[in-house]
Amino acid sequence: QSILTQPPSVSAAPGQMVTISCSGGTSNIGENFVAWYQKFPETAPKLLVYDNDQRPSGIPDRISGSKSGTSATLGITGLQTGDEADYYCGAWDSSLNAYVFGSGTKVTVL
Amino acid sequence: QVHLQQWGAGLLKPSETLSLTCSIYDGSYIGYYWTWIRQPPGKGLEWIGDIHHGGGTNYNPSLKSRVTISVDTSNFQFSLKLSSVTAADTAMYYCARGRVRCDLWGRGTLVTVSS
Repeated sequence: QSILTQPPSVSAAPGQMVTISCSGGTSNIGENFVAWYQKFPETAPKLLVYDNDQRPSGIPDRISGSKSGTSATLGITGLQTGDEADYYCGAWDSSLNAYVFGSGTKVTVL
Repeated sequence: QVHLQQWGAGLLKPSETLSLTCSIYDGSYIGYYWTWIRQPPGKGLEWIGDIHHGGGTNYNPSLKSRVTISVDTSNFQFSLKLSSVTAADTAMYYCARGRVRCDLWGRGTLVTVSS
């Protein structure tokens, strides 16, 4: 069972917006940076957001991240069929002295 | 352009030791953490552990007794060893650059544990 909790799935029509929540605790999200990854089958994860709300070069601004307290959120606007993938949040856990991932959320474009 | 190339045995028997290596091409290992992550079939991502370029390591508490991550600075490589494997260790294994921000990944190695 993952320490960071995400909804199993979210869906929306093309062009719409989805948000994915990531709920943790004081020792992980509460006091450390959150990252978000996109994962397609048989492909390595891709970093979408780091340090809660920063996008690496090449990630479009329709991808956004935010954090409040012990929760974080990934937003995707202008949803495209190519966005259908699994998304994972992650954060360092200061109590475990280890990195923890969320349970993963499958995004479906209707 | 910097990239990671990983390799290792893809089929193991129970109780054997998993051994994977990741090479860093066209880039420096200095100043980074180097990480191993896995994904069992149908499941989510699991952090295995990381190593700093200086050699300090951190491991997933659930795997700590079986895991060793090391770095070979002369060959720009870092390695993963996981002892006493079982079917539960069957997964796609990835090497990556970074700790809280893994921005560069290997392509992955499928490791299957089966008798």
